[in-house]
Amino acid sequence: AQTVTQSQPEMSVQEAETVTLSCTYDTSENNYYLFWYKQPPSRQMILVIRQEAYKQQNATENRFSVNFQKAAKSFSLKISDSQLGDTAMYFCAFMGFTSGTYKYIFGTGTRLKVLA
Amino acid sequence: DTGVSQNPRHKITKRGQNVTFRCDPISEHNRLYWYRQTLGQGPEFLTYFQNEAQLEKSRLLSDRFSAERPKGSFSTLEIQRTEQGDSAMYLCASSFGRPGVSSEQYFGPGTRLTVT
Repeated sequence: AQTVTQSQPEMSVQEAETVTLSCTYDTSENNYYLFWYKQPPSRQMILVIRQEAYKQQNATENRFSVNFQKAAKSFSLKISDSQLGDTAMYFCAFMGFTSGTYKYIFGTGTRLKVLA
Repeated sequence: DTGVSQNPRHKITKRGQNVTFRCDPISEHNRLYWYRQTLGQGPEFLTYFQNEAQLEKSRLLSDRFSAERPKGSFSTLEIQRTEQGDSAMYLCASSFGRPGVSSEQYFGPGTRLTVT
């Protein structure tokens, strides 16, 4: 069975600094997708960044980038130039296609607080 | 289109009562997902529709839970004989998927259920 582990329940970072959130996963599949979602306080979850497992190049979206290590099954999120609006819960998610259906599995989340 | 909507946003009910939640996905999205999220946890997958077909159900979805998507548009999630352990945020998400291709999920604001 697939699992997703986020080992950092809470983190804080000074505004304008860089922070890295960790995520590891376990799967026997070769083709899958990984995502980072952001859930601000009392607001909807939104996609931050996605990575296709078959792509070696790490995904980037403006200040957000990932370090995808397929062999190590690691998928960390780096936030550069942190802003107060980055304060939120961040969830790592795995999506695989097995037995004819898609399965999404989320980690337990990391609460990030950006300090002024 | 303003995104995924869910109604009601909050529901307080007494133990043993039945409740029904509604999700309206983004109009062109063919996939719809239900998740449950408890405090401090990531979303837990409940069930998934492709058009009107319910393709996957989690073991979390006991016999008291039922979901429908009768015309491949909106979906309802019903919980019968509610228990205090059902108290949680129920999230709906939709995506537009093609076979073998991932697409990110767009989440609704959730329905917070409190069972007293």
